[in-house]
Amino acid sequence: KQEVTQIPAALSVPEGENLVLNCSFTDSAIYNLQWFRQDPGKGLTSLLLIQSSQREQTSGRLNASLDKSSGRSTLYIAASQPGDSATYLCAVSSGGSYIPTFGRGTSLIVHP
Amino acid sequence: GAVVSQHPSRVICKSGTSVKIECRSLDFQATTMFWYRQFPKQSLMLMATSNEGSKATYEQGVEKDKFLINHASLTLSTLTVTSAHPEDSSFYICSAIAGGPGNEQFFGPGTRLTVL
Repeated sequence: KQEVTQIPAALSVPEGENLVLNCSFTDSAIYNLQWFRQDPGKGLTSLLLIQSSQREQTSGRLNASLDKSSGRSTLYIAASQPGDSATYLCAVSSGGSYIPTFGRGTSLIVHP
Repeated sequence: GAVVSQHPSRVICKSGTSVKIECRSLDFQATTMFWYRQFPKQSLMLMATSNEGSKATYEQGVEKDKFLINHASLTLSTLTVTSAHPEDSSFYICSAIAGGPGNEQFFGPGTRLTVL
């Protein structure tokens, strides 16, 4: 059974810092890995999708990497802004199924 | 990206009533949709996989007679919470796979259910 762990659980930083959020998974036979953002009381917004054959994806100030052999993914946020404050969730699909397993998320606060 | 909508966004009901939540894929067809439940400060818990034209697949511990799922078309799945009780109060979120490379999932905005 796939297990997904996200570290840290919470993070509070001043504006402008570069951040790294970590996601680890136990079963390396993954189909894809997706990073989401969730604002309080809202649904999930897809940030980046990394397919099994890919090593990284970039979108604006966000960069996500994937290392299947070590069972890890990182989400890098450059030049953080207060608007980046949210919970970031990592989800891994594996075992030939599209059904993802979610981590518990990293709650990020970027203060001015 | 693809858009998934949910209706209603918020519902308050009395204990014992049934509540229906709709999930729609607005600009794509989705043969598979998922229903999740999220408690405060917790991650998402998959409840069931909704397949168009067939019965839903429920996760272990989820009562299929309590949470009725109907996926009658390629753009609509409904979740009905029957005889709701206060412990059913939660945030319910649906998602759909848009197809294409990687089969990216897109989520609805969620429905906040409060059972009095």
